[in-house]
Amino acid sequence: GQQLNQSPQSMFIQEGEDVSMNCTSSSIFNTWLWYKQEPGEGPVLLIALYKAGELTSNGRLTAQFGITRKDSFLNISASIPSDVGIYFCAGPNNNAGNMLTFGGGTRLMVKP
Amino acid sequence: DARVTQTPRHKVTEMGQEVTMRCQPILGHNTVFWYRQTMMQGLELLAYFRNRAPLDDSGMPKDRFSAEMPDATLATLKIQPSEPRDSAVYFCASGLRGSNEQFFGPGTRLTVL
Repeated sequence: GQQLNQSPQSMFIQEGEDVSMNCTSSSIFNTWLWYKQEPGEGPVLLIALYKAGELTSNGRLTAQFGITRKDSFLNISASIPSDVGIYFCAGPNNNAGNMLTFGGGTRLMVKP
Repeated sequence: DARVTQTPRHKVTEMGQEVTMRCQPILGHNTVFWYRQTMMQGLELLAYFRNRAPLDDSGMPKDRFSAEMPDATLATLKIQPSEPRDSAVYFCASGLRGSNEQFFGPGTRLTVL
């Protein structure tokens, strides 16, 4: 089945640093979604990408839909302590309807 | 305030007991998903409904789990009998047909002793 591989699995950075993480797949996706999950809460949709090459921002977050359609990137600029959480990428399961395949997540920790 | 709500937020129960988790999808959303999250397995899809009809429940252990949508504003996930290995966080998410965007509730943290 489809798999999404996220890297790195975890990051421990200093407040103010920029962050980059990515998500790759062996198969083509026509949509990429990025979610953030904070401790004790459900995943929250941050950014949705629908077109190869698309670059979309949401505040300090910027995500890109890879031109090969097999990868996506999420960048966070000037990190702050509240950026802490697990970031998941997701894409539609091409086998059925609106089901999503999720990556394993990137755990971000920010040191004040 | 358009949000998915879930109750209870936490549940501690003993092995063998029945557990019912409830979800209210965002008003107007016609697709509902149940997920289970554990450290080992990550997010696993258990079941998926569209317009209250089950479309896929292949991820759900059929012998003890059941999922229903009695009406458009309520989805339930039931475990009977519960086992310690069912301990996890259970999420409900909703969306619109034709859109891949799913919106998650806050989850029910289940502990089975």
